[in-house]
Amino acid sequence: DQQVKQNSPSLSVQEGRISILNCDYTNSMFDYFLWYKKYPAEGPTFLISISSIKDKNEDGRFTVFLNKSAKHLSLHIVPSQPGDSAVYFCAAYQGGSEKLVFGKGTKLTVNP
Amino acid sequence: DVKVTQSSRYLVKRTGEKVFLECVQDMDHENMFWYRQDPGLGLRLIYFSYDVKMKEKGDIPEGYSVSREKKERFSLILESASTNQTSMYLCASSLEGVWYGYTFGSGTRLTVV
Repeated sequence: DQQVKQNSPSLSVQEGRISILNCDYTNSMFDYFLWYKKYPAEGPTFLISISSIKDKNEDGRFTVFLNKSAKHLSLHIVPSQPGDSAVYFCAAYQGGSEKLVFGKGTKLTVNP
Repeated sequence: DVKVTQSSRYLVKRTGEKVFLECVQDMDHENMFWYRQDPGLGLRLIYFSYDVKMKEKGDIPEGYSVSREKKERFSLILESASTNQTSMYLCASSLEGVWYGYTFGSGTRLTVV
């Protein structure tokens, strides 16, 4: 049973526009969420995170929004750049567990 | 910077071979993990370890084993490689109780022929 779901396998946007990547989760015990970015033939790298006690966290062009009642989070990239083209993974921690639970990823393509 | 180093970027092995994938981290992390990444399936946890000589099964341990004799090194072993184990293998490490997630290695692309 998938606890972290990324329902869009791919997303294509124009350079300069906003990219919105979505993630849903089922486990209400998750209390920390992260986004990772992965280029081909490289390991994932940490992008941004948010605690369950917050509803927004911003870092430069990247903003993560958390809606706990809907068990939904989203990653906004503004403005999108061609270098943002990668696979983005949503992940979640449950307190007391050292394991991250990952979604299946969304492949973002930013067209020049 | 934390470094997680995987010994090989690309490997080609024959069906039935015993395969060793090595991972070393240099920041004294307690936790180490092995994942595989496949298109449409995302990152799936194979095994993890919270301490030396300690191991726990992840979601897909069948056909794999691990070894952690030293804190900095976590090895993934394919006892008898099969073609369905062709995949990208990713090692990661983290500090115990740390909320900012894992540091990943660059991955090993394994092809079993």
